[in-house]
Amino acid sequence: AQSVTQPDIHITVSEGASLELRCNYSYGATPYLFWYVQSPGQGLQLLLKYFSGDTLVQGIKGFEAEFKRSQSSFNLRKPSVHWSDAAEYFCAVGAPWGSQGNLIFGKGTKLSVKP
Amino acid sequence: GAGVSQSPSNKVTEKGKDVELRCDPISGHTALYWYRQSLGQGLEFLIYFQGNSAPDKSGLPSDRFSAERTGGSVSTLTIQRTQQEDSAVYLCASSQDPTGSSTDTQYFGPGTRLTVL
Repeated sequence: AQSVTQPDIHITVSEGASLELRCNYSYGATPYLFWYVQSPGQGLQLLLKYFSGDTLVQGIKGFEAEFKRSQSSFNLRKPSVHWSDAAEYFCAVGAPWGSQGNLIFGKGTKLSVKP
Repeated sequence: GAGVSQSPSNKVTEKGKDVELRCDPISGHTALYWYRQSLGQGLEFLIYFQGNSAPDKSGLPSDRFSAERTGGSVSTLTIQRTQQEDSAVYLCASSQDPTGSSTDTQYFGPGTRLTVL
């Protein structure tokens, strides 16, 4: 079955520290991969996406993610976290074929940032 | 120029009542999606409209759930005979890609928080 696993429900980091949020997927083929962020009271915003090519993807707000086929992972990273990064982060996969546009989401990782 | 809008932002209802949730997608977007976000459960796909094609209803959890999209624009998600387990945030998203593939960015609305007492 297709699924996305985000092993960490809640992570707390200090402002200025580096961040890595983990994402593993189970899919019949290499899917399209996405990271979304949901700030309190806000809708989801796309941070970055991977379809093919360079396995290191740059996104908005200084985030990047690396696709590792051998590990079925797509971890999100940021070298220096800002207080405004406190939010919930969702990893998602999409079908790499046809017109199946819906995404399968992980359960999310809530990020808290300590001053 | 506005984003995806949803109404109402909050809805409290009694068990057994019917509710309607509305989504206004971004103008010109042909694909529209409904997701449900339950506490601690992430986002669950419900239904997907793409242009004039028959909707993909594979994510609807029961026959109490239905959705329609009028004129290829506004969509209404209806939940009949609501149950307490229907309490969640219902999110709508739209995308531009006429092929309906997942390559196109989905833009999400702020959601409707449904509470069933």
